[in-house]
Amino acid sequence: GNSVTQMEGPVTLSEEAFLTINCTYTATGYPSLFWYVQYPGEGLQLLLKATKADDKGSNKGFEATYRKETTSFHLEKGSVQVSDSAVYFCALSDRGNTPLVFGKGTRLSVIA
Amino acid sequence: DTGVSQDPRHKITKRGQNVTFRCDPISEHNRLYWYRQTLGQGPEFLTYFQNEAQLEKSRLLSDRFSAERPKGSFSTLEIQRTEQGDSAMYLCASRTKQGPNTEAFFGQGTRLTVV
Repeated sequence: GNSVTQMEGPVTLSEEAFLTINCTYTATGYPSLFWYVQYPGEGLQLLLKATKADDKGSNKGFEATYRKETTSFHLEKGSVQVSDSAVYFCALSDRGNTPLVFGKGTRLSVIA
Repeated sequence: DTGVSQDPRHKITKRGQNVTFRCDPISEHNRLYWYRQTLGQGPEFLTYFQNEAQLEKSRLLSDRFSAERPKGSFSTLEIQRTEQGDSAMYLCASRTKQGPNTEAFFGQGTRLTVV
């Protein structure tokens, strides 16, 4: 079945450090890939998405590129801020609007 | 539009009691999903509605769980004879009918504690 594996946290970085959160997936067909973020006390929000191979999703300085050859969708940001502290979830949907399959989440803490 | 809303936000119940949660999706969204999230895990899919039709149910959804969406608007999730293992955050999400791979909007969840 479909699954998502992401690096375990917690990840602690200093402000302005470079961030990478690894995500790999297993799926039949050609899934769409998503990163969701959950800030403290809030619901899940879509951060970015990519729907086909080599697509790059980007938002708020975060980027992720859909790599079909390595079945990966790693999240990156060049310079993190304290306000980026949250839990990040990688997810996939393998066709149309089928239910999302999530990874376990990675907690990021950014310290000033 | 205020987004997806869930009620209650928190529920503490004794083992063996029944509980019911409500989800109000974004008004023009015809797809509605329920997920369960436990500590340190990502959300796990429970069930999915398109309008009032329940199209898919996870194996996680035991026969103590039932969900409805009677008029294709709000949805309820009922858990009968609650067990301590049911303690979790229950999330609702909705999606528009327009186009594939559209964004799922999540509510803030209902946190259930079974004591």
